[in-house]
Amino acid sequence: AQKITQTQPGMFVQEKEAVTLDCTYDTSDPSYGLFWYKQPSSGEMIFLIYQGSYDQQNATEGRYSLNFQKARKSANLVISASQLGDSAMYFCAMREGWSQGNQFYFGTGTSLTVIP
Amino acid sequence: GAVVSQHPSWVICKSGTSVKIECRSLDFQATTMFWYRQFPKQSLMLMATSNEGSKATYEQGVEKDKFLINHASLTLSTLTVTSAHPEDSSFYICSAPGVPGQGSLSYEQYFGPGTRLTVT
Repeated sequence: AQKITQTQPGMFVQEKEAVTLDCTYDTSDPSYGLFWYKQPSSGEMIFLIYQGSYDQQNATEGRYSLNFQKARKSANLVISASQLGDSAMYFCAMREGWSQGNQFYFGTGTSLTVIP
Repeated sequence: GAVVSQHPSWVICKSGTSVKIECRSLDFQATTMFWYRQFPKQSLMLMATSNEGSKATYEQGVEKDKFLINHASLTLSTLTVTSAHPEDSSFYICSAPGVPGQGSLSYEQYFGPGTRLTVT
């Protein structure tokens, strides 16, 4: 089974609107971290937001928030007030356990296009 | 914040030659580094986990004799693509996990900017 599932290959959003990028995960480990990265056309991976499995509150970082629904194993990224510069690939990722040496599992990504 | 660099950022080589890609953690020590490969419009595929002072751990299906990994110090890991062929053309990215107490988030992976390899 896929560890991370992103079901939206491509998304479009009007500038200044909010958009939700879906991510579901699969793990039996009670300790895990969930991450979202942005990858613009330049290729660099930009860290956006993190949610730990024991965190009680949803993570927020500026215009980014993570809608964490543990029982449903979903970790959707919400981008508010979209900007043209938000057009990029977005990857959801998970690390099981707390060891820094544990690998990340990545989803297939969602290509977001912000329309002026 | 923590920075990971990669060199070169892009390289073109002839079929049959070898190419070395360097991954450096600039302001923190990395006992572990990860090497990924990414084809256009696809996700990152983990190739191997590089461990300082020991042999790398390769993912299933990755040829260890073709993709040589050396993690000789706490700040440098190298990936050498030996006898490169056009099908090895790809975007290669390394990453290193942040370490608590070294000025970086304890739970984040820091990615290098990537190396675009084209084999002609």
